[in-house]
Amino acid sequence: GEDVEQSLFLSVREGDSSVINCTYTDSSSTYLYWYKQEPGAGLQLLTYIFSNMDMKQDQRLTVLLNKKDKHLSLRIADTQTGDSAIYFCAETDTGRRALTFGSGTRLQVQP
Amino acid sequence: GAGVSQSPSNKVTEKGKDVELRCDPISGHTALYWYRQSLGQGLEFLIYFQGNSAPDKSGLPSDRFSAERTGGSVSTLTIQRTQQEDSAVYLCASSLAGVADTQYFGPGTRLTVL
Repeated sequence: GEDVEQSLFLSVREGDSSVINCTYTDSSSTYLYWYKQEPGAGLQLLTYIFSNMDMKQDQRLTVLLNKKDKHLSLRIADTQTGDSAIYFCAETDTGRRALTFGSGTRLQVQP
Repeated sequence: GAGVSQSPSNKVTEKGKDVELRCDPISGHTALYWYRQSLGQGLEFLIYFQGNSAPDKSGLPSDRFSAERTGGSVSTLTIQRTQQEDSAVYLCASSLAGVADTQYFGPGTRLTVL
C-alpha cells in the first residue's frame, strides 16, 4: 500500500531556515500536501503541489518535489517561534481521494 | 460558517457505550472525510462521502464504526460499544472535489474511552 515517511524531529534557531523532508512510495501520487498542526489544534493546510511541478513558492514557504526519487521537502525561510508545530506531509491520487499522511515532523524553534 | 466545525470538542465515555460525533463541512463542499489521529497509528483515513455516491468505507476499522451524511451536508460518525482503543482525535475534512482535492480540516473531537 501507500506509505509516507518523515523524520520525527527537527530543531532550528529562530531566523534560520528549516527544511522538512518527506518520502513517499506511491508512484501514482498526484497531489502532495503540507499541513501544520499546533498543540491542541486541527490540521491547517499550508501548501500543496501537483506532481507535474518541481517547485512552488508561497511567501516564506518553498516546496520542492523530486518525482524521480519520490521526495518532497518543505523549506521555511526565516523560521519564527510561531512556526513551532508538527508538520505533516500527505499525498493522494485522483482515484483514491483519501489522504495518506506521514507520521509528522515536530519542528522546535529555539529563540 | 467559514470553516469545518465539529462537535463536541471533547467526549469522555465509558467502555461499551455508543457515541456520536458531528461534522459540519464548509458550505458548498461536496466531499467529506473522516480521519482518526491516535498516538500509535498516526493519522488514518476512515470514510469518504462524495455527493450522492456510495461512501468509501474502506478505512473503517470495524463494524462498530458507521457514518452517515444527511442532505449532502452534515455528517455523523457513530461508534457503537466503544473500546479503549477507540480513544483518539477524530478529524473531519471537506473539499470542493475537483480542485486539487484540497481538504480543509475541522478542529477535531477528542474521544476518551474509560
